[in-house]
Amino acid sequence: EADIYQTPRYLVIGTGKKITLECSQTMGHDKMYWYQQDPGMELHLIHYSYGVNSTEKGDLSSESTVSRIRTEHFPLTLESARPSHTSQYLCASSEGNRGSYGYTFGSGTRLTVV
Amino acid sequence: GNSVTQMEGPVTLSEEAFLTINCTYTATGYPSLFWYVQYPGEGLQLLLKATKADDKGSNKGFEATYRKETTSFHLEKGSVQVSDSAVYFCALNSGGSNYKLTFGKGTLLTVNP
Repeated sequence: EADIYQTPRYLVIGTGKKITLECSQTMGHDKMYWYQQDPGMELHLIHYSYGVNSTEKGDLSSESTVSRIRTEHFPLTLESARPSHTSQYLCASSEGNRGSYGYTFGSGTRLTVV
Repeated sequence: GNSVTQMEGPVTLSEEAFLTINCTYTATGYPSLFWYVQYPGEGLQLLLKATKADDKGSNKGFEATYRKETTSFHLEKGSVQVSDSAVYFCALNSGGSNYKLTFGKGTLLTVNP
């Protein structure tokens, strides 16, 4: 059973709208991540956080922004959605200070901008 | 830097066939290695992992052995089922101060009845 939740699962929205994708986890993990997954399946890290008030940009440049005010919550915001933002967005978290733990993923949000 | 190279798909098999998905890596130090599975419309789930050389991870009939000498972590299953149809990702984490997973590009597996 997943302990990391993403809402909404699906979102269709018009160009220029502001949107926030929600991600919450109940495991107390310090580290959280946002990935963008293209239709070819490849995962691209766009944001990550190592704890409250810590946010960093990932390997793929993104127009989105994130915040981490509470440990359990890591929302992603797009101020003005465009068709190029259409994608699957995956949130993940990890525990501990060792690389052996891996990530727990949410079910994803499939965003379509029309 | 770290990198993961996995077999390009798509891979199409008949039910009960033997599966191998190749994965090789480049990393500093002694990384932990992972296989994740993504079923249609879902997020990724951890399938198995190995944290040191010669370790074998296993789950749901899938196995992978951490081979440091060949820097490989190939995924195998002796008899696939239709329900195994999914995308499979190989990943590594070199630990230290960098807790980010490095993923391969994914391999789409389709199993036909």
